Amino acid sequence: GAVVSQHPSWVICKSGTSVKIECRSLDFQATTMFWYRQFPKQSLMLMATSNEGSKATYEQGVEKDKFLINHASLTLSTLTVTSAHPEDSSFYICSAREDARNYEQYFGPGTRLTVT
Amino acid sequence: DQQVKQNSPSLSVQEGRISILNCDYTNSMFDYFLWYKKYPAEGPTFLISISSIKDKNEDGRFTVFLNKSAKHLSLHIVPSQPGDSAVYFCAASALYTGNQFYFGTGTSLTVIP
Repeated sequence: GAVVSQHPSWVICKSGTSVKIECRSLDFQATTMFWYRQFPKQSLMLMATSNEGSKATYEQGVEKDKFLINHASLTLSTLTVTSAHPEDSSFYICSAREDARNYEQYFGPGTRLTVT
Repeated sequence: DQQVKQNSPSLSVQEGRISILNCDYTNSMFDYFLWYKKYPAEGPTFLISISSIKDKNEDGRFTVFLNKSAKHLSLHIVPSQPGDSAVYFCAASALYTGNQFYFGTGTSLTVIP
């Protein structure tokens, strides 16, 4: 089946530094990748949608300059949290879709970010 | 504005009995619905889906029912097993939104042995 990986699975960083999270589709080519954020006991909130080779589309309220998304290839998307603050601490999950006509999204295992 | 709602944050069921998880949505344009299962510190795992042209979809112990007029869907798990204990999210999507998913807040299911 379709597998999506994320790296790292857990990261701790100091306030003011930047952190990059990778999302890879291992056995299929992902035309579209999605980045979600989940707060404790809350829903997964879509942050942005990225299509390979084009700029990401951000949801309302998500700072583009803070959460940099790059979908450089059909198997890799990265989320960079710039100048991280403690309130950015969260669980970040990516998902990948193979085909625009296909509703199915395959989720990565998530990355736990803690900013101290 | 939460377009997909799961009003029960938690549910406890005895092993072997039926688990019923509910989900309501507000956007009548949604035409595809999914249920995901999630363990702590892991990504969601797809469970079952249903399109708006159907009112029922069954896969083993899992059945999803869709009531379009009520904008309501439910997930039935029967018989429930301890391994089913997890958080269940419903999600809805619409072609006009580019198939983006809108998630409910989740229901934590505990199946008691």
